[in-house]
Amino acid sequence: ETGVTQTPRHLVMGMTNKKSLKCEQHLGHNAMYWYKQSAKKPLELMFVYSLEERVENNSVPSRFSPECPNSSHLFLHLHTLQPEDSALYLCASSQEGLGGAVYGYTFGSGTRLTVV
Amino acid sequence: QQQVKQSPQSLIVQKGGIPIINCAYENTAFDYFPWYQQFPGKGPALLIAIRPDVSEKKEGRFTISFNKSAKQFSLHIMDSQPGDSATYFCASSPMIKAAGNKLTFGGGTRVLVKP
Repeated sequence: ETGVTQTPRHLVMGMTNKKSLKCEQHLGHNAMYWYKQSAKKPLELMFVYSLEERVENNSVPSRFSPECPNSSHLFLHLHTLQPEDSALYLCASSQEGLGGAVYGYTFGSGTRLTVV
Repeated sequence: QQQVKQSPQSLIVQKGGIPIINCAYENTAFDYFPWYQQFPGKGPALLIAIRPDVSEKKEGRFTISFNKSAKQFSLHIMDSQPGDSATYFCASSPMIKAAGNKLTFGGGTRVLVKP
């Protein structure tokens, strides 16, 4: 593993289901991210958490709800998803440097989500 | 919105060839330029990175060339092997937090190295 663990690896859910994706980082980083990866948009930033505070929400529909209870854990709560939400969801972490600059992410292996 | 434009979208080379992937950025505040390699079923992994104080960096068979005046950088894979077949992403980030505290990724290049 790369130091960032995502569960589950695969998820199939109906449009009326509620599920959660989990991400855990063991690197002591202080920033965490959710990305959506699909054929149309290879790496689409969804949310950014810095020091457990959400600092960016890239116009993501409200059916996606992030949660960052501490600097090591990040969740993505899913409800009433659409088939076009099927994609690989990637979690990443990083250590913010002086002035807040970011010097490289460590990604998890992702959760392959299929909405039926 | 700041962008990083990556080309080509896909590339096929014979074993031993030198695939070259190019990226162009807009934000002059960017000062960190990493490349990520992604295999199917895996997340992207940091491959090599460069800062603008040097024009070239080599790590094994991978070389980054950087042209600050043109705001362009490229990845060369020397003596490519079938195991290098993957999707490659360039990225950039700024030093100044006010410019955004995140990496901006290119659109990716799928590289296939034929035996």
